[in-house]
Amino acid sequence: KAGVTQTPRYLIKTRGQQVTLSCSPISGHRSVSWYQQTPGQGLQFLFEYFSETQRNKGNFPGRFSGRQFSNSRSEMNVSTLELGDSALYLCASSLEAYTGNTIYFGEGSWLTVV
Amino acid sequence: KNQVEQSPQSLIILEGKNCTLQCNYTVSPFSNLRWYKQDTGRGPVSLTIMTFSENTKSNGRYTATLDADTKQSSLHITASQLSDSASYICVVSGRGSTLGRLYFGRGTQLTVWP
Repeated sequence: KAGVTQTPRYLIKTRGQQVTLSCSPISGHRSVSWYQQTPGQGLQFLFEYFSETQRNKGNFPGRFSGRQFSNSRSEMNVSTLELGDSALYLCASSLEAYTGNTIYFGEGSWLTVV
Repeated sequence: KNQVEQSPQSLIILEGKNCTLQCNYTVSPFSNLRWYKQDTGRGPVSLTIMTFSENTKSNGRYTATLDADTKQSSLHITASQLSDSASYICVVSGRGSTLGRLYFGRGTQLTVWP
């Protein structure tokens, strides 16, 4: 079956712009979460959605937002981009809650802010 | 504070040798612990998942152990192969107030030399 699909894979933006990243979870998965990965900080949790509701949020500024649609697809948006937002953004999906189900990651979206 | 610490930060071994990676966590209340393998530029791939009642879990040449009392886990790789070169990330999820949130270690960068 198809895995977690993230688009776009690579993008370059300038400071001050905004960006929207998309994630299509594995069919049937209702939980979608987002992560930022940088060499200095490793993987950091952004937020998690379950059935269109944000269930948990990491320690990121309000410039980072997300949403989940009724078909479980999710988007995350970063407004007023800063150089420090350059990172690999990973989306992951899971069948239900994080109670032991395997969490599948997409290949990520590489964002470079110049 | 909920944290996940991994050691060593990096490790070089010769092909065919065994190695053990360590993970200590303070996440509470604890739900489960996962080990992921991440190749450079790719999304993480799940190796094992263990709940607090499980002591060991194997996946081919990968064997994970968990001591929920001391909050320690290890990942043992047997008969290493060149393709094992990757970052190995320990991920802990909580329950209750932290349900839906994942806590990541910074990973152990493993390099296997021929």
